[in-house]
Amino acid sequence: QKEVEQNSGPLSVPEGAIASLNCTYSDRGSQSFFWYRQYSGKSPELIMFIYSNGDKEDGRFTAQLNKASQYVSLLIRDSQPSDSATYLCAVNREAAGNKLTFGGGTRVLVKP
Amino acid sequence: ETGVTQSPTHLIKTRGQQVTLRCSSQSGHNTVSWYQQALGQGPQFIFQYYREEENGRGNFPPRFSGLQFPNYSSELNVNALELDDSALYLCASSLERTDTQYFGPGTRLTVL
Repeated sequence: QKEVEQNSGPLSVPEGAIASLNCTYSDRGSQSFFWYRQYSGKSPELIMFIYSNGDKEDGRFTAQLNKASQYVSLLIRDSQPSDSATYLCAVNREAAGNKLTFGGGTRVLVKP
Repeated sequence: ETGVTQSPTHLIKTRGQQVTLRCSSQSGHNTVSWYQQALGQGPQFIFQYYREEENGRGNFPPRFSGLQFPNYSSELNVNALELDDSALYLCASSLERTDTQYFGPGTRLTVL
């Protein structure tokens, strides 16, 4: 079992719709959770981080964390063509020395 | 822009050669982490440096080594290059070992 799993996609959503991305992790000791966006040929860009169970909203983005289910998700509201990218989920277990463990990423395509 | 810079942008080497990649962290950040991202995969943690000391290492062989300098810039050295070392090498900096990491633009290494 991979430590962090994501559906590779592509997730195709119409412009203006909500994109829902999911991520599961295997290490119950994981303490912090991150979503990065990566455009083709570019480096990852931090979108959101979440530490506590529940929802965290930032603009059009909402991160949701459920530690009991070992599940973290990202919602993108009012999706725009500029949101077309690969979204990487990363988890950190402080006891592991602040290394980020990434999933393989979900490719999102927003169609006008 | 994160303020993290990397050089060179692209590099082509042949098997068996050695390579040095460089990273300058964001102002005020004293922790640098290095990641390898193969095509179509998520980044994999190589190692982290905090105040010039190695602070955690991923599952990479000893031919991957690093340094951090007093100004917190860092180098990644790879000896005896193999074809599988072809990847995007990412440097990320963070403030005082907190785990929010900001990535530089990366160095694309091709090994022929």
